[in-house]
Amino acid sequence: DAGVTQSPTHLIKTRGQQVTLRCSPISGHKSVSWYQQVLGQGPQFIFQYYEKEERGRGNFPDRFSARQFPNYSSELNVNALLLGDSALYLCASAQQGADTEAFFGQGTRLTVV
Amino acid sequence: QKEVEQNSGPLSVPEGAIASLNCTYSDRGSQSFFWYRQYSGKSPELIMFIYSNGDKEDGRFTAQLNKASQYVSLLIRDSQPSDSATYLCAVTSWGYQKVTFGIGTKLQVIP
Repeated sequence: DAGVTQSPTHLIKTRGQQVTLRCSPISGHKSVSWYQQVLGQGPQFIFQYYEKEERGRGNFPDRFSARQFPNYSSELNVNALLLGDSALYLCASAQQGADTEAFFGQGTRLTVV
Repeated sequence: QKEVEQNSGPLSVPEGAIASLNCTYSDRGSQSFFWYRQYSGKSPELIMFIYSNGDKEDGRFTAQLNKASQYVSLLIRDSQPSDSATYLCAVTSWGYQKVTFGIGTKLQVIP
């Protein structure tokens, strides 16, 4: 079975631009969570979606948004990119909510220049 | 006070020894506790999860939870150089769909 897949793996954007990151969860998993991880820190929770509804939101500005599709895949959008948005963006899928065992994708490395 | 606290390390142990990794959390409503291993440049990999007070063993790994002391730990027996990685503690609360990670403890197993 395929694990969690994320695309693209690497991305370079310019300040002020917009970016869309994509995630396909493990087959049968209905929950997708998004995290931002900067070097030397643990992952920071951004969003959690379950059954296409937003169930949790971290302390991130409104420039960050996400959605989950009927096939449970998800997109994370970030508008008006700042240099500080440069990070590894991780997607995790779980069978149920974020409080169950989650499995991470390989991540998308975003660099804002 | 950070919600989930870990010593960033590095924690150095000789090969074959027991590595003890510790994590404290501030939210008494926390119900689910996870340990992830993250190799440099890779994504986190689930090692253990624990929901109830006490010990949970899986191979060389043992997770220990003490809710009264708001403390969760991970023991790695017979440590191997391949165990060298950063170990992340993660905590959630039932019904509140947010997972909080600690900064991670870097473990170095010396051959």
